[in-house]
Amino acid sequence: EIVMTQSPATLSVSPGERATLSCRASQSVSNNLAWYQQKRGQAPRLLIYGASTRAAGIPARFSGSGSGTEFTLTISSLQPEDFAVYYCQQYNDWWTFGQGTKVEIK
Amino acid sequence: EEQALESGGGLVQPGGSLKLSCQVSGFIFSTYPMNWVRQAPGKGLEWVSTISGSGDTTHYADSVKGRFTISRDNSKNTVYLQMNSLRAEDTAVYYCACGGDSALLTWFDPWGQGTLVTVSS
Repeated sequence: EIVMTQSPATLSVSPGERATLSCRASQSVSNNLAWYQQKRGQAPRLLIYGASTRAAGIPARFSGSGSGTEFTLTISSLQPEDFAVYYCQQYNDWWTFGQGTKVEIK
Repeated sequence: EEQALESGGGLVQPGGSLKLSCQVSGFIFSTYPMNWVRQAPGKGLEWVSTISGSGDTTHYADSVKGRFTISRDNSKNTVYLQMNSLRAEDTAVYYCACGGDSALLTWFDPWGQGTLVTVSS
């Protein structure tokens, strides 16, 4: 099973600042990597697939990068609605999720 | 717009059974794989099961293999999760999620709103 490790567990950021979230795979997943946003009490929402392709309707401030085992989700200027938990998921070898990064208001 | 709506959750005793349903609208259902993902209270996301668009291929997480069965009825745009021999650790919100692409190994989009399953005596 491919293990996905996200860091940090919690990220404290001020509105308007940049946030950088990391996701590492225990073995290569090529670019078969997605990012999801989950707000409290809501279902996850797809942000990024193919490591760097924004899903429909996702603002340009969200960007993804990386391949192989190292991936990054960047939120260029945090808006109030962006404070949430973010999960990465690999779909190269079945499906596994990272444990999540909570982005909270500093 | 694609939408998924789960039903069937509730309270069940350990060792009991429950069947979840997820009805999908807004796209050609039979083209896409369907998935179940669960989230225990206060925890992260855990993939549970996947079924191909035709229904002839299924996969399960080790934690549910032999106890859960995924199926689909393409004439009803519905996917099911039959859960048997339920344990306390199966307590979670269960989400159905559509495959984002027709390939089996794909991202999940969109997701349903979730249905809560509580296993307790």
